[in-house]
Amino acid sequence: AQTVTQSQPEMSVQEAETVTLSCTYDTSESDYYLFWYKQPPSRQMILVIRQEAYKQQNATENRFSVNFQKAAKSFSLKISDSQLGDAAMYFCAYRYWGAAGNKLTFGGGTRVLVKP
Amino acid sequence: DTGVSQDPRHKITKRGQNVTFRCDPISEHNRLYWYRQTLGQGPEFLTYFQNEAQLEKSRLLSDRFSAERPKGSFSTLEIQRTEQGDSAMYLCASSNRVSTLSEAFFGQGTRLTVV
Repeated sequence: AQTVTQSQPEMSVQEAETVTLSCTYDTSESDYYLFWYKQPPSRQMILVIRQEAYKQQNATENRFSVNFQKAAKSFSLKISDSQLGDAAMYFCAYRYWGAAGNKLTFGGGTRVLVKP
Repeated sequence: DTGVSQDPRHKITKRGQNVTFRCDPISEHNRLYWYRQTLGQGPEFLTYFQNEAQLEKSRLLSDRFSAERPKGSFSTLEIQRTEQGDSAMYLCASSNRVSTLSEAFFGQGTRLTVV
């Protein structure tokens, strides 16, 4: 079974600074997708960024970028120029490419605090 | 289109009572998922529908849990004889099978408290 581990329960960052969230996963599959979701206090999960495992190039979405290390099964998220609105729970998630259901397996989450 | 809608947002029930939650997915999405999220944890998969067919159920879904998606539109999740351990946020998500990269859109969840 696939597992996703986020080892940092909480990270604090100064506004305008950079913070990196760690995620490791375990799978025997070679084709899969990885995601970072943001869950603000209102509780609605929002997709931040996704990475296809077959792509070597790291995904980037504005201030958010990932460092995908397939061999190490590592998928970290970097938030640059942090803003107060970035404060939320962040979840790393895995989805197997071939599964008909496309269900997501989530890590335990990292709470990001942004200090003004 | 207002996104994925869940009702109610909050439910407090006494132990042993039955509760039912509703999820309305994004209209053109044919895949619908239920997840459970306990405080401080990531969501855990419960079950999945493609149209009206329930194609996968997690071992977390005990016999007291049942989910339906009649006509492939909205879905309901019923918990019978609730227990305190059922207290959690129940999240619904939907996606479109057209693309395997299809993003799962989440609702705001139903917070269940069993007292």
